[in-house]
Amino acid sequence: QKEVEQNSGPLSVPEGAIASLNCTYSDRGSQSFFWYRQYSGKSPELIMFIYSNGDKEDGRFTAQLNKASQYVSLLIRDSQPSDSATYLCAVIHSGTYKYIFGTGTRLKVLA
Amino acid sequence: KAGVTQTPRYLIKTRGQQVTLSCSPISGHRSVSWYQQTPGQGLQFLFEYFSETQRNKGNFPGRFSGRQFSNSRSEMNVSTLELGDSALYLCASSLKAGQELSYEQYFGPGTRLTVT
Repeated sequence: QKEVEQNSGPLSVPEGAIASLNCTYSDRGSQSFFWYRQYSGKSPELIMFIYSNGDKEDGRFTAQLNKASQYVSLLIRDSQPSDSATYLCAVIHSGTYKYIFGTGTRLKVLA
Repeated sequence: KAGVTQTPRYLIKTRGQQVTLSCSPISGHRSVSWYQQTPGQGLQFLFEYFSETQRNKGNFPGRFSGRQFSNSRSEMNVSTLELGDSALYLCASSLKAGQELSYEQYFGPGTRLTVT
């Protein structure tokens, strides 16, 4: 089992729809969770972080964390073609404090 | 506030040579991590430095090494380059390291290394 798992996609959604990206993790002790957006040929950009169970909203983005089920998700409302990118989930390992990245989900927003 | 900077941005080297990449973290950030990113393997952790000490290390051969200076700037070195070392090398900095919960990490633009 991978430490952080994401569906590689591509996830295709029409413009204006809600895109839902999911991530599961294996380290039950993890406390810190992050979502990065990476455009092709560019470096990852931090877009959301969440440390407590529940929802955290920032503009069109909502991060959801469920520690009991060991998953974290990212919702993008009113998806735009400019949101088309790879979204990386990252978790800090509770023992080593290393970042563990998933392999990313490629999102395509269709105009 | 200036972001993470990496130099050089692009590099072409020949197999067998060595290379040194540089990273300057965000001002005030003390932790610097290095990653290798390839299309096939995704984002792979190389090592992390905090206060000039290596705190974590990934599963890379000893040809990959790094160091951090007292001003938090970091360098990584790859000796005896192989074709498979062609990748985007990313540096990321964060304010804190250790047992705090606040650990947001910010990436630099990367150095694209091509080994021929």
